[in-house]
Amino acid sequence: ETGVTQTPRHLVMGMTNKKSLKCEQHLGHNAMYWYKQSAKKPLELMFVYSLEERVENNSVPSRFSPECPNSSHLFLHLHTLQPEDSALYLCASSQGATGIQNTEAFFGQGTRLTVV
Amino acid sequence: DQQVKQNSPSLSVQEGRISILNCDYTNSMFDYFLWYKKYPAEGPTFLISISSIKDKNEDGRFTVFLNKSAKHLSLHIVPSQPGDSAVYFCAASYTDKLIFGTGTRLQVFP
Repeated sequence: ETGVTQTPRHLVMGMTNKKSLKCEQHLGHNAMYWYKQSAKKPLELMFVYSLEERVENNSVPSRFSPECPNSSHLFLHLHTLQPEDSALYLCASSQGATGIQNTEAFFGQGTRLTVV
Repeated sequence: DQQVKQNSPSLSVQEGRISILNCDYTNSMFDYFLWYKKYPAEGPTFLISISSIKDKNEDGRFTVFLNKSAKHLSLHIVPSQPGDSAVYFCAASYTDKLIFGTGTRLQVFP
């Protein structure tokens, strides 16, 4: 248990569906991240929120929409996804924005997403 | 362009021997390096890190070495144990970015 909880653990959705992934951290961290892990690819940074403000968006398609209502919660809203978006989506949090304060990130267990 | 590379997708080591996992990076702006360990159905967990101002950091059985001139770091696990079997990710950071490699699957057999 790392203090970062993701729900759901598994999600199957059709290309026309709208769904949301939820992440919650109980560590008092002020930076949160969404990563995507596809087979045989590096963990890809999708979004970074620091102090509830988005500071990084690595050219992610608009069908992925993040939301950070407060420092403990992070959502990833999904709509009209493609089969190639099937992957493991990992949420992480850190004390400060990783790199600036040289802190490690704590990861949730991930949501295994399958788009059919 | 992949900034952090782990060229060995897998490694098999006998229990008790040393495991050496390697990582190369291309961006000289990276100032902090981390190793994460990942078991199936779990998120990565932090293992050990090193600042760019150091060349070695040790924590129990785990030692990370950094060679800045070669843009190379390695993780040594000694002695290796069956419970060390997992996927190991190298990561590098600067500003607010944490960039991961593709991972190396380590299998420690009896």
